[in-house]
Amino acid sequence: AQSVTQPDIHITVSEGASLELRCNYSYGATPYLFWYVQSPGQGLQLLLKYFSGDTLVQGIKGFEAEFKRSQSSFNLRKPSVHWSDAAEYFCAVGPFSGGYQKVTFGTGTKLQVIP
Amino acid sequence: NAGVTQTPKFRILKIGQSMTLQCAQDMNHNYMYWYRQDPGMGLKLIYYSVGAGITDKGEVPNGYNVSRSTTEDFPLRLELAAPSQTSVYFCASSVSDRGQYEQYFGPGTRLTVT
Repeated sequence: AQSVTQPDIHITVSEGASLELRCNYSYGATPYLFWYVQSPGQGLQLLLKYFSGDTLVQGIKGFEAEFKRSQSSFNLRKPSVHWSDAAEYFCAVGPFSGGYQKVTFGTGTKLQVIP
Repeated sequence: NAGVTQTPKFRILKIGQSMTLQCAQDMNHNYMYWYRQDPGMGLKLIYYSVGAGITDKGEVPNGYNVSRSTTEDFPLRLELAAPSQTSVYFCASSVSDRGQYEQYFGPGTRLTVT
């Protein structure tokens, strides 16, 4: 069965500093990978997704993520964090095969941005 | 497009009461989902639907029921509410059930059972 691990429950960064949020997945083949963001009191919004091809994917709001097959990782990065990036971030994995296949979400990483 | 809408935003229930959480989408998506989100636990799938008249259980269906009479609406029914059902509930929809398609989420319903 597929699984997703986000090892950091909570991260604090200073505004303007760089950010990396970790995500590791377990799946028998190359999965579909997603990062979602949840602002306070809101639903989840897709930041970016990886299906195949270039292992560095660009998303909205200046975020990017890199798929590393050898490490089973899909870490999210941003070169310079803004106060508005404070939110909870979820990594998710969707299977490659057909038919209904449940998307599995990680437990989330809450990002705090300090001035 | 309004996207995915949910009502109510907040609700407090007493143990044993029942209620229906409403969800609607205007994107003509066939696939709809109900999740619950508990602190530190991520999202757990309660029920999903692949089209009008077709629903199936997810990971944590006990204590809940769903129906899907139209493409747009996917209400979640809580019967005999219990404190363990205190959670934030999200409805989502997608254009396909294939793993590569993103899900669109509503703003959530925060439910407290006391």
